[in-house]
Amino acid sequence: QKEVEQDPGPLSVPEGAIVSLNCTYSNSAFQYFMWYRQYSRKGPELLMYTYSSGNKEDGRFTAQVDKSSKYISLFIRDSQPSDSATYLCAMKVDNTDKLIFGTGTRLQVFP
Amino acid sequence: DTAVSQTPKYLVTQMGNDKSIKCEQNLGHDTMYWYKQDSKKFLKIMFSYNNKELIINETVPNRFSPKSPDKAHLNLHINSLELGDSAVYFCASSHGTSGRAIDTQYFGPGTRLTVL
Repeated sequence: QKEVEQDPGPLSVPEGAIVSLNCTYSNSAFQYFMWYRQYSRKGPELLMYTYSSGNKEDGRFTAQVDKSSKYISLFIRDSQPSDSATYLCAMKVDNTDKLIFGTGTRLQVFP
Repeated sequence: DTAVSQTPKYLVTQMGNDKSIKCEQNLGHDTMYWYKQDSKKFLKIMFSYNNKELIINETVPNRFSPKSPDKAHLNLHINSLELGDSAVYFCASSHGTSGRAIDTQYFGPGTRLTVL
């Protein structure tokens, strides 16, 4: 069993929909939680970065961390075709540079 | 003004050959990484260097050897290539966690390696 589990999708939604992407993890030592977006044939780019539990909002994106359930989510409001990409969750323990990634969820937003 | 660059972008080679991938960052970061992304998009760290010193060395065959001539460059040399080495290899860089609560890793565009 992988340390971080993520539904690979694909997830196909119409433009304007609210999208929910999720990851579960097993290592309770994880303290930092990230979401990366990866367009086809490009490198991943950081979208959201949260520490410990709680919510963080940035424009149409909201990241949520529930450490008690070992569950993190990324919500995308008013989804756009330009949001079509693979979304990778990543996490790490304190005082380390080692990121553990989920397998990524492929999202397609159709007009 | 590319932040993290890799060469080559595509690499097609025969089994048994030796090849190198180069990475350079102009962000002034101290830490650099190599990741492997398989056909199912799973991204896994292979190595990291901090200021030319090897910090992370995951369970990777010793056919893979990273080399950091200075803190802006991290190269990956692969000996005796095998079919299973076919993947996309990403270089990344960051300041490193020393003294920082939040540390963003910036990824290069990737090198798509195909072993025939």
